[in-house]
Amino acid sequence: EAQVTQNPRYLITVTGKKLTVTCSQNMNHEYMSWYRQDPGLGLRQIYYSMNVEVTDKGDVPEGYKVSRKEKRNFPLILESPSPNQTSLYFCASSPESPFFSGNTIYFGEGSWLTVV
Amino acid sequence: GIQVEQSPPDLILQEGANSTLRCNFSDSVNNLQWFHQNPWGQLINLFYIPSGTKQNGRLSATTVATERYSLLYISSSQTTDSGVYFCAVGRRNTGKLIFGQGTTLQVKP
Repeated sequence: EAQVTQNPRYLITVTGKKLTVTCSQNMNHEYMSWYRQDPGLGLRQIYYSMNVEVTDKGDVPEGYKVSRKEKRNFPLILESPSPNQTSLYFCASSPESPFFSGNTIYFGEGSWLTVV
Repeated sequence: GIQVEQSPPDLILQEGANSTLRCNFSDSVNNLQWFHQNPWGQLINLFYIPSGTKQNGRLSATTVATERYSLLYISSSQTTDSGVYFCAVGRRNTGKLIFGQGTTLQVKP
């Protein structure tokens, strides 16, 4: 079954304690991306990756890091989380950039992160 | 950067009614997609529609790229259509995807 898997799904953490949200896809997709969803703001792109070792900033990259060492995994790293990073986070993947031939984008189930 | 505005922000319908959701964007884009987020948070692609019209069952979408807007039509709405509808735009050869704020639809039985 085609899947984008995120972990953890729910997390409460404290300010400054480094955390990683993992994302893995089993479809051999080249493109992966992270979004955060906040009330009234829709989804905002944090980082994206067009292929292994190729990452780029989205619209809200501050306070986040990513890496793409292998095709299936695209972890999101919060080195020093702050309360304004409390949000719902989504990982997504697509065969190529979503703007090549209208490739379907597959989303993970989301990760609820609370920073206190 | 490109701005994306969706309207209306909220919509309440009786089951069986029709509706039109709108997405305006501030600059030329090569591509546009519509998504549905169900009440459990799951996000699903509905349409890839940079221009023209597409239909999928009770849903159809039209994009007029030259006038910078797209419309999503829902006919004979059902309670399972409830959720948030997002449009997202981008330009070819980039991985950037810009979402609107969404339209929250509630369909009452």
